Amino acid sequence: KAGVTQTPRYLIKTRGQQVTLSCSPISGHRSVSWYQQTPGQGLQFLFEYFSETQRNKGNFPGRFSGRQFSNSRSEMNVSTLELGDSALYLCASSLEREMNTEAFFGQGTRLTVV
Amino acid sequence: GDSVTQMEGPVTLSEEAFLTINCTYTATGYPSLFWYVQYPGEGLQLLLKATKADDKGSNKGFEATYRKETTSFHLEKGSVQVSDSAVYFCALGPRGSTLGRLYFGRGTQLTVWP
Repeated sequence: KAGVTQTPRYLIKTRGQQVTLSCSPISGHRSVSWYQQTPGQGLQFLFEYFSETQRNKGNFPGRFSGRQFSNSRSEMNVSTLELGDSALYLCASSLEREMNTEAFFGQGTRLTVV
Repeated sequence: GDSVTQMEGPVTLSEEAFLTINCTYTATGYPSLFWYVQYPGEGLQLLLKATKADDKGSNKGFEATYRKETTSFHLEKGSVQVSDSAVYFCALGPRGSTLGRLYFGRGTQLTVWP
């Protein structure tokens, strides 16, 4: 059974550009969450999608957005990139929306903004 | 609000030493509790979980017991190996509110020397 797949693995962008990251959850999983990991702030929750609906959003500016498709695949977009957006972006999928079920993480996308 | 406090690292041990990483939480209701591990360059892997008070999660020699009276979920291993070197995250999954997210501690870097 394939795990959570995130693409691309590495990305270098320039300040002011925008970027789209992709996440394919485990087959059958309908909940997808995104997290930003930085050395200074640790793991911070971005948003969660379930059946194509955003159900929860963390404290990030509107430059960060996402969506989920009918096949549960998800994308997140960051517009007008800033140096501080450099981070490891992690996607997690789970079978149910309750967090007493396991969340499976992808390997992440390492974004570097220069 | 919900939160997790995890002991600061780094933790450095010799092989076969005993490991304890402390984790306490604040939550409304009865959350699920998790330990995740992150190896260099990788995403997070679920190490163990507990979904109700007094549950003991265990995996690969690691154990943690859900203690509601002390709001704790400390990670222990009787004899660490070099291959256990990684970053360990304690996490809380709220229930009832079905927020579909996890709250993470800041992570504890463990280094095991041969």
